[in-house]
Amino acid sequence: DVKVTQSSRYLVKRTGEKVFLECVQDMDHENMFWYRQDPGLGLRLIYFSYDVKMKEKGDIPEGYSVSREKKERFSLILESASTNQTSMYLCASSLGLDTQYFGPGTRLTVL
Amino acid sequence: AQSVTQPDIHITVSEGASLELRCNYSYGATPYLFWYVQSPGQGLQLLLKYFSGDTLVQGIKGFEAEFKRSQSSFNLRKPSVHWSDAAEYFCAVGGRTNAGKSTFGDGTTLTVKP
Repeated sequence: DVKVTQSSRYLVKRTGEKVFLECVQDMDHENMFWYRQDPGLGLRLIYFSYDVKMKEKGDIPEGYSVSREKKERFSLILESASTNQTSMYLCASSLGLDTQYFGPGTRLTVL
Repeated sequence: AQSVTQPDIHITVSEGASLELRCNYSYGATPYLFWYVQSPGQGLQLLLKYFSGDTLVQGIKGFEAEFKRSQSSFNLRKPSVHWSDAAEYFCAVGGRTNAGKSTFGDGTTLTVKP
């Protein structure tokens, strides 16, 4: 079975802090994704990576950056966390055009 | 640009009753269609998918969906709902022009009454 793990289930940070969210997949998928999920807004794509060191902005990249130095790991970085970045963050991976496999999510609260 | 509409934000059904969740999509090429389910506090899990072939697809947990190209729809059905089906359901569309990305609907929350 595909396994996608995220470094934290719950995270509380202060405004202005630099925040790292880590995601690891174990199925050699070339595609990896970061989404944020807010009530009533569904899933919104933040960044997409289709290969190591390759990335593409999604629908809401402002305030975020990403890093993919190894195929299995995709990191989301909040350079200076703000309260409006309080949300559920979901990581996913996929092979080609096929199913996305999701991690359990990280619920981030920025105070 | 592609889009997915799930017209029902919230649906309540009684346990044992049938269920249909609606999904309409807009996509300029051949769509790849997915239904995912999200239990509270969890990530999303694939229920079923349609790429080509038979337009009625079977998924896990007794769910099925029918692709209707003329209506741009991919509705999810289950003949008899169980209390454990209470969750949020997402429809998504992708395809070759999306390079691996999918566009998700806003989701439908299903409540099951005993």
